Amino acid sequence: QKEVEQNSGPLSVPEGAIASLNCTYSDRGSQSFFWYRQYSGKSPELIMSIYSNGDKEDGRFTAQLNKASQYVSLLIRDSQPSDSATYLCAVNTGGFKTIFGAGTRLFVKA
Amino acid sequence: DTAVSQTPKYLVTQMGNDKSIKCEQNLGHDTMYWYKQDSKKFLKIMFSYNNKELIINETVPNRFSPKSPDKAHLNLHINSLELGDSAVYFCASSQPGQGEDTQYFGPGTRLTVL
Repeated sequence: QKEVEQNSGPLSVPEGAIASLNCTYSDRGSQSFFWYRQYSGKSPELIMSIYSNGDKEDGRFTAQLNKASQYVSLLIRDSQPSDSATYLCAVNTGGFKTIFGAGTRLFVKA
Repeated sequence: DTAVSQTPKYLVTQMGNDKSIKCEQNLGHDTMYWYKQDSKKFLKIMFSYNNKELIINETVPNRFSPKSPDKAHLNLHINSLELGDSAVYFCASSQPGQGEDTQYFGPGTRLTVL
């Protein structure tokens, strides 16, 4: 069974620190990788997408992909209290199916 | 303009009842989905439709019947509701095949079965 694994947390970091969120996936054929943020009581929203090995930066967010290790991560620099949410790693295994991890809860302490 | 909308936002009902949730997207996407998010926040795909055709049915009980009258709408009908059906149901849409498959989610429908 194809799986996406995340540490459920909670991950607690002080304001201004770097938050590091990690995810592993089981299907080597996966091609598209996503990080979604979900605030409590809200729907998931896309933070980053990444398709090739290496780093992809967007503002304070950096996604990292290592297909050989089947590993994808999200770094949040200068963490803010407003970043406190659940972060969902998602992997498209081909076609019309995206598998979500269980999410990592992040708390940023002011 | 809301991209993906769902109604109702909240649904409280008794065991054994039948209920429906409606979803509409105005993004022009070809693909729509239903996801179930349980109390542990695990988001699991239930169905996927592409151009009104069922593509994915993730071993969901046949009490759940999706219907797509056109590619902008995907409704979910649930028969004989059970306690375990209590969850938040998210509709989503995407446009795969263009090098990405970003999911755009509706606001969710919180279903409570008593």
